[in-house]
Amino acid sequence: EPEVTQTPSHQVTQMGQEVILRCVPISNHLYFYWYRQILGQKVEFLVSFYNNEISEKSEIFDDQFSVERPDGSNFTLKIRSTKLEDSAMYFCASSEAGDTDTQYFGPGTRLTVL
Amino acid sequence: QKEVEQNSGPLSVPEGAIASLNCTYSDRVSQSFFWYRQYSGKSPELIMSIYSNGDKEDGRFTAQLNKASQYVSLLIRDSQPSDSATYLCAVKRIYGQNFVFGPGTRLSVLP
Repeated sequence: EPEVTQTPSHQVTQMGQEVILRCVPISNHLYFYWYRQILGQKVEFLVSFYNNEISEKSEIFDDQFSVERPDGSNFTLKIRSTKLEDSAMYFCASSEAGDTDTQYFGPGTRLTVL
Repeated sequence: QKEVEQNSGPLSVPEGAIASLNCTYSDRVSQSFFWYRQYSGKSPELIMSIYSNGDKEDGRFTAQLNKASQYVSLLIRDSQPSDSATYLCAVKRIYGQNFVFGPGTRLSVLP
C-alpha cells in the first residue's frame, strides 16, 4: 500500500540554525500539507501546497517557514532560523486533488531545538 | 472560544464496554467532520468521516453528528485494549483543505 514517507525521523539542531524536513508524498497525489504537533498539544495546520504554490497557510506559517517541491517526488519544509518553540513533531500529509478530505499522514519528523 | 473542544481524559473503560467520545466545534460553517486515532509517538490515522446529521456506522465504530448543537461523537463498541489511544476530532471548513484538530481525548481500555 502506498504511503507517505518522511526523513529524518528525528532531527536535533541548535537554536538559530536552518533545518529542512523532507517528505515523499504518495505518487499520484497533488495536494501536500504540513502539520505540527508540539508535545502534549493538538495537531496544528501549517500549510497546504498545490500546483507548485501555497494554497493555504496558517498564522503559524510566518516568514521563517518555506515549502518547496524541488523535484517530482520530494516536498520539503524549511525553517530558516529555528527557535526553541519550534521543537515539535512535524507531519507531512498528501491527498488526491479531488478528495482533500482523505489526507494520508506520514510518520512524522521529531524536531528538537536546543 | 476554542474552535474544536474535547475532554482531555483519560477516559477509562473496561474491555468489552462502549467508549463514548465527544467533541464540540464553534464554527457553524464547518462542513466535514472526522475522527482520527493517534497512538503515542505516531501519526494520526483516519477512523471515520461524517458529513450529515445522524449516525454513521463502520464496524465497531459509530459517529454521530448534530449540526444544530455543533456536536460530534464517536462510540466504540466492544472496546479492546488495542483501542487505547488518543482520539482526535477534526473539522474542515466549507472553504479550505486543512483540518482543525481538537486537543484529543485519551482512551484507556482496561483488560
